[in-house]
Amino acid sequence: RKEVEQDPGPFNVPEGATVAFNCTYSNSASQSFFWYRQDCRKEPKLLMSVYSSGNEDGRFTAQLNRASQYISLLIRDSKLSDSATYLCVVIPSGTYKYIFGTGTRLKVLA
Amino acid sequence: IAGITQAPTSQILAAGRRMTLRCTQDMRHNAMYWYRQDLGLGLRLIHYSNTAGTTGKGEVPDGYSVSRANTDDFPLTLASAVPSQTSVYFCASSDNPNQPQHFGDGTRLSIL
Repeated sequence: RKEVEQDPGPFNVPEGATVAFNCTYSNSASQSFFWYRQDCRKEPKLLMSVYSSGNEDGRFTAQLNRASQYISLLIRDSKLSDSATYLCVVIPSGTYKYIFGTGTRLKVLA
Repeated sequence: IAGITQAPTSQILAAGRRMTLRCTQDMRHNAMYWYRQDLGLGLRLIHYSNTAGTTGKGEVPDGYSVSRANTDDFPLTLASAVPSQTSVYFCASSDNPNQPQHFGDGTRLSIL
């Protein structure tokens, strides 16, 4: 089993839709989690950290489910500009090394 | 503009040649990283440095070397390039290893 797994998509959604992605991880002792966004042929950019109690930043909500070992990203009122690949990152306990998922591709359609 | 600068932006290289990818940051971050990104495999850590003067091996270090003589620079060297090293290379930095990482624009490297 991969350390971090994401559904590659693509998720094709209309503008204004709500879409959610999950990211599962295998190391139950993982300590830190992030979501990054990557546009085609560009560098990954930090979207948001994921906190134990869940956190929101505008239209984006991140949640952590330690019991089931996954993190999620919810995007409300999707915009065309949200089209990108979303990468989850897990940092296992005892290390500061990022483990990246392979990414979930989102296409928001007009 | 503060950030991470990578050079070159892209390069085509003959197999067997030596190549150094440059990475410079002006944020005074302690930690720096090199990743490669390949289709279907995601980003994989090659080498890292938690502070100037120290380096460590990541997931895929073979065929690569790094140095960290000062805080700002973290060059990645391919001693003798092979076609399997064709990839997009990203340099990243963070204030400390447990803080979010910020990425450079990447270097597209093709080994023929």
